[in-house]
Amino acid sequence: QQQVKQSPQSLIVQKGGISIINCAYENTAFDYFPWYQQFPGKGPALLIAIRPDVSEKKEGRFTISFNKSAKQFSLHIMDSQPGDSATYFCAASNSGSRLTFGEGTQLTVNP
Amino acid sequence: DTAVSQTPKYLVTQMGNDKSIKCEQNLGHDTMYWYKQDSKKFLKIMFSYNNKELIINETVPNRFSPKSPDKAHLNLHINSLELGDSAVYFCASSQTTVNTEAFFGQGTRLTVV
Repeated sequence: QQQVKQSPQSLIVQKGGISIINCAYENTAFDYFPWYQQFPGKGPALLIAIRPDVSEKKEGRFTISFNKSAKQFSLHIMDSQPGDSATYFCAASNSGSRLTFGEGTQLTVNP
Repeated sequence: DTAVSQTPKYLVTQMGNDKSIKCEQNLGHDTMYWYKQDSKKFLKIMFSYNNKELIINETVPNRFSPKSPDKAHLNLHINSLELGDSAVYFCASSQTTVNTEAFFGQGTRLTVV
């Protein structure tokens, strides 16, 4: 059972544009929502994470927006750069449980 | 200083063979994991250990057997390898089991021919 659905599967953005990746979850017990970034040949690395007591978290050019009632959260990458080209995974967990990952989004930022 | 290191990085082997992948973390974390990433890049947890004790065992064929000799090491042994086992296997660790950042190794690309 896929508990975290991620879209789009792939995304092409021009340099300087905004990249938006969306995730939806089913389990209302989830209380931790991280985003991971994975470059080719590397393991995923934590980019930014949010807990449901806030609706938005910003770190540099990366922002998570969280909508608890809709059970959705999204990653916004402002001023996208070619170096941001990677695969992005949303994930969710609740205390003591394993991370459930979305299917991943292949982001390509064209120069 | 690599935080989570796994060896080998690449592994090519024939069907029916037995192979092991080793993982070590120097972060002092209590919890370690094995994930499988398939050709579509989907990440799925296989096992989790907390202080050398198995706490998560997903629906994985029993040909896969994890072993944690101490909390800094988690190895994965695979018996009777099959073509469908070809994937990238990631080891990861986190400070605890509760909603904390997971640090991933570089992955082991296993190809079964």
